[in-house]
Amino acid sequence: SQQGEEDPQALSIQEGENATMNCSYKTSINNLQWYRQNSGRGLVHLILIRSNEREKHSGRLRVTLDTSKKSSSLLITASRAADTASYFCATEGMDSSYKLIFGSGTRLLVRP
Amino acid sequence: NAGVMQNPRHLVRRRGQEARLRCSPMKGHSHVYWYRQLPEEGLKFMVYLQKENIIDESGMPKERFSAEFPKEGPSILRIQQVVRGDSAAYFCASSPQGSGELFFGEGSRLTVL
Repeated sequence: SQQGEEDPQALSIQEGENATMNCSYKTSINNLQWYRQNSGRGLVHLILIRSNEREKHSGRLRVTLDTSKKSSSLLITASRAADTASYFCATEGMDSSYKLIFGSGTRLLVRP
Repeated sequence: NAGVMQNPRHLVRRRGQEARLRCSPMKGHSHVYWYRQLPEEGLKFMVYLQKENIIDESGMPKERFSAEFPKEGPSILRIQQVVRGDSAAYFCASSPQGSGELFFGEGSRLTVL
């Protein structure tokens, strides 16, 4: 069954505003990752946060992880039109397989 | 350093035909993953392979689908006797170890007529 579920499913904001996307998951994890996918393209890794970390930054990205609530959030600050894409969270479970399980994604539209 | 290479990028098959999708991982990567994506949906895990070994195929349909990653050459996802429901984008990803960031190819888009 699908592990991560993103919220909202779609988000439309004005350029310059911040975008926040949330992800919930069900089982214990080793790490949680966020990926970006432009329409018709492959996925690009954005950031990885380990289960013993609570917050991580990378440029305009800020990721938080709350293992007690089994949730994560991705914040994109000062958004740009080029940030328009689908964003997926993915969890690596604590079983031995190391496979990533992806959520259904948030489609972000940044209006110029 | 070339990324993950998938071919073909687009493939059209008629019902009952076979589809073969190829994936060459990044140089130095020995772990390969295949995922399927339907329009407007997330990626569904299919199979995880290392060289000459299937590690986890829990996401593979029991029939018609098979995957391999031989000692030499690309990983291949094979779909026999395709049906319309097999139409999707199939993504391959690789990693240098079994954990952490995955590097994705651009996908192979299969259309079954």
